[in-house]
Amino acid sequence: QKEVEQDPGPLSVPEGAIVSLNCTYSNSAFQYFMWYRQYSRKGPELLMYTYSSGNKEDGRFTAQVDKSSKYISLFIRDSQPSDSATYLCAMSAASGNNRLAFGKGNQVVVIP
Amino acid sequence: GAGVSQSPSNKVTEKGKDVELRCDPISGHTALYWYRQRLGQGLEFLIYFQGNSAPDKSGLPSDRFSAERTGESVSTLTIQRTQQEDSAVYLCASSRQSNQPQHFGDGTRLSIL
Repeated sequence: QKEVEQDPGPLSVPEGAIVSLNCTYSNSAFQYFMWYRQYSRKGPELLMYTYSSGNKEDGRFTAQVDKSSKYISLFIRDSQPSDSATYLCAMSAASGNNRLAFGKGNQVVVIP
Repeated sequence: GAGVSQSPSNKVTEKGKDVELRCDPISGHTALYWYRQRLGQGLEFLIYFQGNSAPDKSGLPSDRFSAERTGESVSTLTIQRTQQEDSAVYLCASSRQSNQPQHFGDGTRLSIL
């Protein structure tokens, strides 16, 4: 079983819709949870950074972490064509080298 | 610079050649990471540097891979005797401390012919 599972299937939504993305994980040591956005031929750009369980909101983006279920989510409200990108979930433990374990990423296309 | 800078942005080389990739982290960031992103795969951790401590090399896939960092500045990742399976995007990230958010460069796209 991979440490982080993210269904890599592409997702197409009409402009203005809510985008819902999620990841599951197996390592109970993970304490920091992140979502990155990656445009084609660019590096990952940090979108959301949360510690432990709970919700975090930043503009149109909401990140949720449920450690009891080992499940994290990202919601994008009022999606825009500029949100079209690949979204990567990532997580790390609180100690050690803090290396990030990544999901495979979801390609999201927002259709005008 | 304002962000993590990597060079070259693209590298094409023949199988068996050595390549050197460079990363210039954000000024003041003590932690530096290298990751590899192969087509259709998630990013894989390669190596971690924190200040003047010994690097964590646990993610390096073979002894053909090595990396160095001078203090808290530039890092180089070297791949010797390249193989076709080394073709990937090599990404560098830095963070202020090891438990802080990591910020990525745009990577080096390596193609082995």
